[in-house]
Amino acid sequence: ETGVTQTPRHLVMGMTNKKSLKCEQHLGHNAMYWYKQSAKKPLELMFVYSLEERVENNSVPSRFSPECPNSSHLFLHLHTLQPEDSALYLCASSQDFSGGAETQYFGPGTRLLVL
Amino acid sequence: GQNIDQPTEMTATEGAIVQINCTYQTSGFNGLFWYQQHAGEAPTFLSYNVLDGLEEKGRFSSFLSRSKGYSYLLLKELQMKDSASYLCAVRDSNYQLIWGAGTKLIIKP
Repeated sequence: ETGVTQTPRHLVMGMTNKKSLKCEQHLGHNAMYWYKQSAKKPLELMFVYSLEERVENNSVPSRFSPECPNSSHLFLHLHTLQPEDSALYLCASSQDFSGGAETQYFGPGTRLLVL
Repeated sequence: GQNIDQPTEMTATEGAIVQINCTYQTSGFNGLFWYQQHAGEAPTFLSYNVLDGLEEKGRFSSFLSRSKGYSYLLLKELQMKDSASYLCAVRDSNYQLIWGAGTKLIIKP
């Protein structure tokens, strides 16, 4: 069974749309992460949840809204996005959170295109 | 500021050896990771170095020199399936992961 799954794998949305990205981990981990990956740029950490509580928010615009209902699921709610938000959005999990110290296991990502 | 430098792209031949370098300038050091990412897929963990020296794991080895702020990933007996991006990430003194932009490795027959 795949450790970390993400849906949808591809998403095209207009700037006025509202959509949500979903991530699920089957590894029994306590920490989950959202990253943004743009072409030829380093991974950008967006949000971190540990035991369902947000522990980090790296100055992400409010048009991105995370939700962690339990330790296995993580959502990223999107609204009124801009074309520059087009990127690959990766979810990851780790056993625990120590500032990102543990090995992280990534999902395949959602390729987002904002028109 | 904190910075991780890796070559953007490298090309190598099937069966050969390739070395992917990573240099870093971070506020402190608490370990270095290498991840592999095939196009359209998730990054997967390859190696972790926290002490100086070489860590060998099958065809892949990773080297670290903390005094030089330098690491490399060595891939031997290259196979076509090794075509991927290789991401270097450093854990700083606050245990934050700082990521490089990745090196795209192209393997030719």
